[in-house]
Amino acid sequence: EAGVTQSPTHLIKTRGQQATLRCSPISGHTSVYWYQQALGLGLQFLLWYDEGEERNRGNFPPRFSGRQFPNYSSELNVNALELEDSALYLCASSLGGPPMAQHFGDGTRLSIL
Amino acid sequence: DQQVKQNSPSLSVQEGRISILNCDYTNSMFDYFLWYKKYPAEGPTFLISISSIKDKNEDGRFTVFLNKSAKHLSLHIVPSQPGDSAVYFCAAYSGAGSYQLTFGKGTKLSVIP
Repeated sequence: EAGVTQSPTHLIKTRGQQATLRCSPISGHTSVYWYQQALGLGLQFLLWYDEGEERNRGNFPPRFSGRQFPNYSSELNVNALELEDSALYLCASSLGGPPMAQHFGDGTRLSIL
Repeated sequence: DQQVKQNSPSLSVQEGRISILNCDYTNSMFDYFLWYKKYPAEGPTFLISISSIKDKNEDGRFTVFLNKSAKHLSLHIVPSQPGDSAVYFCAAYSGAGSYQLTFGKGTKLSVIP
């Protein structure tokens, strides 16, 4: 069974640009979660999508947005990039239900120059 | 406001000895607690969980203890093995909420052969 896949592995952008990160969940999983791990911090919850709908979002500004496609894959978009957006962005998927069922991808390292 | 705290950034333990990783939380609404393990360049993987109706949960070499009155939990690894060297994250959520995980900053465990 293929795990959660994220692309790209690394992404380098400059301030003010826009970044798009992609996530393919495990086959059959309908929920996708996005997390940010900035340097020295734990994972911060960003967004939760289930069955194509945004179900919840964390304490992040509106320039962080995303969507979930009919095949349950997901995109995270970050507009007007700032230096502090440099972080590891992790995607997780689940069938739904308790978080222990969340399976994580290996992340996209976003660097803002 | 950090609701889940792991106050030890790192821990070194001799192979074969016990590793004890600690975690404190402040939000009384949390009623499920999880530990994740993360190797470099990989996403976190679920290790073990405990609900607030229990004070101990065991899975092989891993045991999690919960002290609700102190809002404290700990992960015991016995015996520690070199392959246990990783970053361990404590996480919590409210079962009455949206399954939004709140993570600590992590503790880097090094098991010395």
